[in-house]
Amino acid sequence: QKEVEQDPGPLSVPEGAIVSLNCTYSNSAFQYFMWYRQYSRKGPELLMYTYSSGNKEDGRFTAQVDKSSKYISLFIRDSQPSDSATYLCAMSKAAGNKLTFGGGTRVLVKP
Amino acid sequence: DVKVTQSSRYLVKRTGEKVFLECVQDMDHENMFWYRQDPGLGLRLIYFSYDVKMKEKGDIPEGYSVSREKKERFSLILESASTNQTSMYLCASSPRTPTGELFFGEGSRLTVL
Repeated sequence: QKEVEQDPGPLSVPEGAIVSLNCTYSNSAFQYFMWYRQYSRKGPELLMYTYSSGNKEDGRFTAQVDKSSKYISLFIRDSQPSDSATYLCAMSKAAGNKLTFGGGTRVLVKP
Repeated sequence: DVKVTQSSRYLVKRTGEKVFLECVQDMDHENMFWYRQDPGLGLRLIYFSYDVKMKEKGDIPEGYSVSREKKERFSLILESASTNQTSMYLCASSPRTPTGELFFGEGSRLTVL
């Protein structure tokens, strides 16, 4: 069983819809949680970074962490075609420690 | 603008060949990493380095080695390429002070025939 599970998609939504992404994990030692976005033929880039449980909002993006359920989510409001990408969750046990990635979810936002 | 540059975007090699993948970063970062990315498996850590001439094994080091002779350069070496090493290889760097952010290169897609 993988330490971090993520539905591979693809997740297809119309422009303007809310995109909901999530990851589950098995290791309760994870404390730091990240979402990376990866466009086709590019390297991943950091989108959101959170510590422990709670919510974090940045513009159209909201990250949620529920450590009791070992579940993290990313919501994208008012989705745009430019949001079409693969979204990877990642987590670590300590700040600066090596990251464990989910398999990524491919998102398609149709105009 | 921060930059991690991988020397080759696409490579095709034969089974048994020695393969070098080069990565250079211009951010004066202490930490550098090599990942491979395969569909459905996400990114898996091969090797990482916290300083010049230092290296540590990641989760899947078998069949790979690395070299870090200079701070800005981290090389991944496949001593004898095999078909199961066909993959996308991603180099990343991060500063010593932990921020949680890795800065990635654009990747090197290696095909081993």
